[in-house]
Amino acid sequence: DAGVTQSPTHLIKTRGQHVTLRCSPISGHKSVSWYQQVLGQGPQFIFQYYEKEERGRGNFPDRFSARQFPNYSSELNVNALLLGDSALYLCASSLALSKPSTDTQYFGPGTRLTVL
Amino acid sequence: GNSVTQMEGPVTLSEEAFLTINCTYTATGYPSLFWYVQYPGEGLQLLLKATKADDKGSNKGFEATYRKETTSFHLEKGSVQVSDSAVYFCALASGSARQLTFGSGTQLTVLP
Repeated sequence: DAGVTQSPTHLIKTRGQHVTLRCSPISGHKSVSWYQQVLGQGPQFIFQYYEKEERGRGNFPDRFSARQFPNYSSELNVNALLLGDSALYLCASSLALSKPSTDTQYFGPGTRLTVL
Repeated sequence: GNSVTQMEGPVTLSEEAFLTINCTYTATGYPSLFWYVQYPGEGLQLLLKATKADDKGSNKGFEATYRKETTSFHLEKGSVQVSDSAVYFCALASGSARQLTFGSGTQLTVLP
C-alpha cells in the first residue's frame, strides 16, 4: 500500500505570494494533520482534520488555512508568504483520533518551501 | 501545556556502542509516547510507540519504556550501526485531537 504522499516536493516562492500544498493520506485513514519543521527544530503542529472537519489548530497566524476533501486528501494554504515561512511542511495521517490504538500518525516525505 | 524535552545532541558513537537518548515529558491526561526517526532529506518514520505506563515499545533493536513515575521515555539500543545515523525525535499525543508535540530532536552519528 502507498504511504502518505505530498506534492510538490520542492517549491520556491517570493514574499507576499500564496502557496498551496497537497497531501493524500494512507488508504483508509480519515485524519490528516499538518506540521511545520524549521531547519534544526522539531515539527510544530499547524492543523488537524478528521472527517472533513477541523479538530485542532496550532499557534499559527490566520495566513495559514487548510481543508480536507471527501476523499480525505487535504490542502494547506499559506497567504502573504514571509521569509520565516521557509520550512519543511509535513503531512501525517492516522486511522482515527479517539483512542491510542488508532492515533499513530504516519508522515509523508514533506514539501520543502523556500521563500525568497 | 504539553512539552517534550530531549537530550541535546549531537551524539557521536562508534559502531556497536550502546545508545541512550533521554526524553522526558509534561502532559495532561494519558499521552501516547513515540519515537520518530528522520534521515537526511526525508520525512519522519515511526520507530516505536507505547500507549500506557510500563509499556515497552521496540523495533529494529531499539527500545523505550513508558515510565509514568519519572515521566520519561528514554530510547536505547544495545549495539548501534552506521545506518542508524539520523535525527531522533521523541513525541507525545494527548487530548481528544491526539496532536503530536515533539522534542527538538537529537542528531546521532555512528562512526565505523
